[in-house]
Amino acid sequence: DTEVTQTPKHLVMGMTNKKSLKCEQHMGHRAMYWYKQKAKKPPELMFVYSYEKLSINESVPSRFSPECPNSSLLNLHLHALQPEDSALYLCASSQPGVGSYEQYFGPGTRLTVT
Amino acid sequence: SQQGEEDPQALSIQEGENATMNCSYKTSINNLQWYRQNSGRGLVHLILIRSNEREKHSGRLRVTLDTSKKSSSLLITASRAADTASYFCATERGADGLTFGKGTHLIIQP
Repeated sequence: DTEVTQTPKHLVMGMTNKKSLKCEQHMGHRAMYWYKQKAKKPPELMFVYSYEKLSINESVPSRFSPECPNSSLLNLHLHALQPEDSALYLCASSQPGVGSYEQYFGPGTRLTVT
Repeated sequence: SQQGEEDPQALSIQEGENATMNCSYKTSINNLQWYRQNSGRGLVHLILIRSNEREKHSGRLRVTLDTSKKSSSLLITASRAADTASYFCATERGADGLTFGKGTHLIIQP
């Protein structure tokens, strides 16, 4: 199974809502990532988890809170978002470390903040 | 910050023609990867070339890497309508995570 799944596919939320994005993989990968992609722009790295520990946080605002409950799951908790946070949120996984490993991406969650 | 810069930003060719996209980057790399993205969906890994490699092939894809010029190219031969997508180069920064270039939007005209 080389699939990364993400739920929900689409999410519309108000600025006072709390919601969560979920990501799951069963490839045995021990590195998982969140990327944010605005329209017509490349993906930008937000967070990296390696062996279920947060290893990289690319200066993301605290209204985004990642969580890695186990080696197969990755969540992104959202609270008090701004309209400019509307984007496609992509999850990816790979083998960890510097070893020239490809990343496997999920289909993304398209988030709209109203 | 973005490491790679793709050229051209958009490319439209006829089906059957070859498509060439270029990528330049700024810092030293462990490897360079190319990904395809269809219309706002997830990215699909196409090919990875290590810093000590100069050329790599995978089916209709040919990738070159010139570390002295900090540049790479992706050639898609005998293009098909299904190749219509955005193509991104990405560099690994040394401790997980990828930095993507701005991307080339490729349109294959039937």
